[in-house]
Amino acid sequence: DAGVTQSPTHLIKTRGQQVTLRCSPKSGHDTVSWYQQALGQGPQFIFQYYEEEERQRGNFPDRFSGHQFPNYSSELNVNALLLGDSALYLCASSSRTVTYEQYFGPGTRLTVT
Amino acid sequence: EDQVTQSPEALRLQEGESSSLNCSYTVSGLRGLFWYRQDPGKGPEFLFTLYSAGEEKEKERLKATLTKKESFLHITAPKPEDSATYLCAVQEFDSGYALNFGKGTSLLVTP
Repeated sequence: DAGVTQSPTHLIKTRGQQVTLRCSPKSGHDTVSWYQQALGQGPQFIFQYYEEEERQRGNFPDRFSGHQFPNYSSELNVNALLLGDSALYLCASSSRTVTYEQYFGPGTRLTVT
Repeated sequence: EDQVTQSPEALRLQEGESSSLNCSYTVSGLRGLFWYRQDPGKGPEFLFTLYSAGEEKEKERLKATLTKKESFLHITAPKPEDSATYLCAVQEFDSGYALNFGKGTSLLVTP
């Protein structure tokens, strides 16, 4: 049973550039959430996608946007990158029948220089 | 004010030395409290969900308990492979589906 997968594993971008991160949910899951984790901190909720729509959003600027595809996979886009966007970006998937239990992928380490 | 506070920030144990990690929370209506384990540079690994005060769950050397204000993660006779950061998160009825995490407890178990 494949778990949550994310790509790429690592990414280095320059300030002002744009980045797209990808996530495939665990088999049987239809809901995807994105989190940002700074070094030494707990993950912070960015947004959640369900039925190809943003269902809930955390306290992140509009530079952060996302998309969910019909196969439930998802993308996180960040525009106009800032140095402070450097973090581990985590994708978590869940099932609409057990929405509260979220299973995380390995993350994408983004470094902005 | 943080809604989820974990203590201690770091804990060093000898192999076999049992201890407990604490997660205190202040929320209006708790849907669930979650424990995760995170290894360096990896994503959090789901351990337990607790829904109501008095509930307990066990997995190998780990046991999680829940009261109305806090949760404990008890580690019995830990081994070096239990070394990791343990994260606690809460989900509130009023906050939809977002998990609100604490900063974690970094556990080191030495042989």
